[in-house]
Amino acid sequence: AQSVTQLDSHVSVSEGTPVLLRCNYSSSYSPSLFWYVQHPNKGLQLLLKYTSAATLVKGINGFEAEFKKSETSFHLTKPSAHMSDAAEYFCVVSDRGRNAGNMLTFGGGTRLMVKP
Amino acid sequence: NAGVTQTPKFQVLKTGQSMTLQCAQDMNHNSMYWYRQDPGMGLRLIYYSASEGTTDKGEVPNGYNVSRLNKREFSLRLESAAPSQTSVYFCASSERRNYGYTFGSGTRLTVV
Repeated sequence: AQSVTQLDSHVSVSEGTPVLLRCNYSSSYSPSLFWYVQHPNKGLQLLLKYTSAATLVKGINGFEAEFKKSETSFHLTKPSAHMSDAAEYFCVVSDRGRNAGNMLTFGGGTRLMVKP
Repeated sequence: NAGVTQTPKFQVLKTGQSMTLQCAQDMNHNSMYWYRQDPGMGLRLIYYSASEGTTDKGEVPNGYNVSRLNKREFSLRLESAAPSQTSVYFCASSERRNYGYTFGSGTRLTVV
């Protein structure tokens, strides 16, 4: 079985300071990992994905994440927050060993607030 | 623009009423999914269709039915709505395993 834990339900940063959103996962197989962003009253947009290539993954809008198998973590970072980054972020895992479709398991979400 | 289209965007139902949420994708994706989103719980899978002609239950299927009408369309039906089904519903599609999903913009459903 696979599961995802986002360690912080809310994170608040000042504009221009670094962002760190933490995610731990468990998976029976070699996982694929994703980060999605959801702006208020919008759908979900894919930020980045890890699928067994380079462990440091770069995504859109300056975000990146590092896959650390030994720590079962996939934390999302950005060097400098912008007001437009305020949104909810979801860490997502997919077991690549599963046979039934391409089912993703979502974490509970982290709401990022950016102060001016 | 290419993507996943959901209708309606908003709906209010009375307890016991039925309705169907519609979803269509124009990306020629094989797999389609229905999720519900509730505060603090992320998204939970209701049903999915790995390919045209197949459907399977996800994590929270009770009270719902689905139809994969063709490769483009995947509908979700509530036969007898309950207040516990008040939620935001998202449809998604994917091309193949591990490619992530493309999501629709959601349907906000309130059951009173």
